[in-house]
Amino acid sequence: AQRVTQPEKLLSVFKGAPVELKCNYSYSGSPELFWYVQYSRQRLQLLLRHISRESIKGFTADLNKGETSFHLKKPFAQEEDSAMYYCALSGGSNYKLTFGKGTLLTVNP
Amino acid sequence: GAGVSQTPSNKVTEKGKYVELRCDPISGHTALYWYRQSLGQGPEFLIYFQGTGAADDSGLPNDRFFAVRPEGSVSTLKIQRTERGDSAVYLCASSRGLAYDTQYFGPGTRLTVL
Repeated sequence: AQRVTQPEKLLSVFKGAPVELKCNYSYSGSPELFWYVQYSRQRLQLLLRHISRESIKGFTADLNKGETSFHLKKPFAQEEDSAMYYCALSGGSNYKLTFGKGTLLTVNP
Repeated sequence: GAGVSQTPSNKVTEKGKYVELRCDPISGHTALYWYRQSLGQGPEFLIYFQGTGAADDSGLPNDRFFAVRPEGSVSTLKIQRTERGDSAVYLCASSRGLAYDTQYFGPGTRLTVL
């Protein structure tokens, strides 16, 4: 069975502060990990994925297979980063996504 | 180009009624997914189509739920004898069907069963 855990439902930081959104996963094989974001009144959209190893909007995420984690980080948070963030896992041949429950990030001015 | 669209955006129905939710994927996308998102939860997988066939329907909660994609494009999620517990946002996503390809989500249909 595959499972994604996001331990924080809510996370509040001040503008310019570093931010880390935690994600841990459980999967018996070799998964692909994603971060999806949902801004207020917008649809769910891909933020970044491990396989691309890219930085989007200043966010990065490193896959740690030993700790089975894929934490999302940004060194200096901006107010426009306020949104709901979902960590997701894909494994096997059907590419379906298993999502965590999400973390609501609020960046205060 | 146009993204994934879903209709209706909101649906209110009474317990026991039948509902149909429609998804129009991005043109050319062969893979189509349905997810359900209950309040306070992340999206949960329901069913996956590759072309016209349901390649994985393991997420459908019971036999009241059924989905079709007859021409490999538009898909309809059908729920019979709706129950209050079916109330949720139903999300559709599509992709090119390649390994770990980006899934593009629609805006969702909010279903409320009274």
